[in-house]
Amino acid sequence: GESVGLHLPTLSVQEGDNSIINCAYSNSASDYFIWYKQESGKGPQFIIDIRSNMDKRQGQRVTVLLNKTVKHLSLQIAATQPGDSAVYFCAEAYSGAGSYQLTFGKGTKLSVIP
Amino acid sequence: EAEVAQSPRYKITEKSQAVAFWCDPISGHATLYWYRQILGQGPELLVQFQDESVVDDSQLPKDRFSAERLKGVDSTLKIQPAELGDSAMYLCASSSSYNEQFFGPGTRLTVL
Repeated sequence: GESVGLHLPTLSVQEGDNSIINCAYSNSASDYFIWYKQESGKGPQFIIDIRSNMDKRQGQRVTVLLNKTVKHLSLQIAATQPGDSAVYFCAEAYSGAGSYQLTFGKGTKLSVIP
Repeated sequence: EAEVAQSPRYKITEKSQAVAFWCDPISGHATLYWYRQILGQGPELLVQFQDESVVDDSQLPKDRFSAERLKGVDSTLKIQPAELGDSAMYLCASSSSYNEQFFGPGTRLTVL
């Protein structure tokens, strides 16, 4: 498959360790934030989201933290597995006409070492 | 599980030729998006439809790109003529109201 991870920041972690991926967003008016996972040759896949009135949200093995003061978002993956290897994008959203419009960050490539 | 369908998955064309991509959103999703993703970057919105109407095409290069969603269901994105710089992944996504966007597998375009 073709990699979308070229020229991206890379995070390498040992299998079983926790991963933390960071993202800075730009629009203080954004009211919704999403993390997407993109595997080679595939479209982005939704992982977890958070509204701007929250500062933390947990899912299965994943936690998203939002710091609106410094416009920073992070994704924590617990007990990282080889299947977590992918490029991770954060996206900020604002309310458009009938739906959200997304602006994606630059992406981070996560490599899990077995 | 419902998915966004796109075709073709891969397209190789020569510059100055016309290309077209097709997207079938998840049934019932009124909002459809076309994105372009250059290798190593995040997706960038080209055009957004609400039913059959374009609600945002501010980033669509209208001299060569066109998009339509005539019956408010499936959609076609066309490039004519294609240029070398158009080589990218073209992603389609759909959503219902203010909910998450679901992405299709994309069409990888290579312009020679």
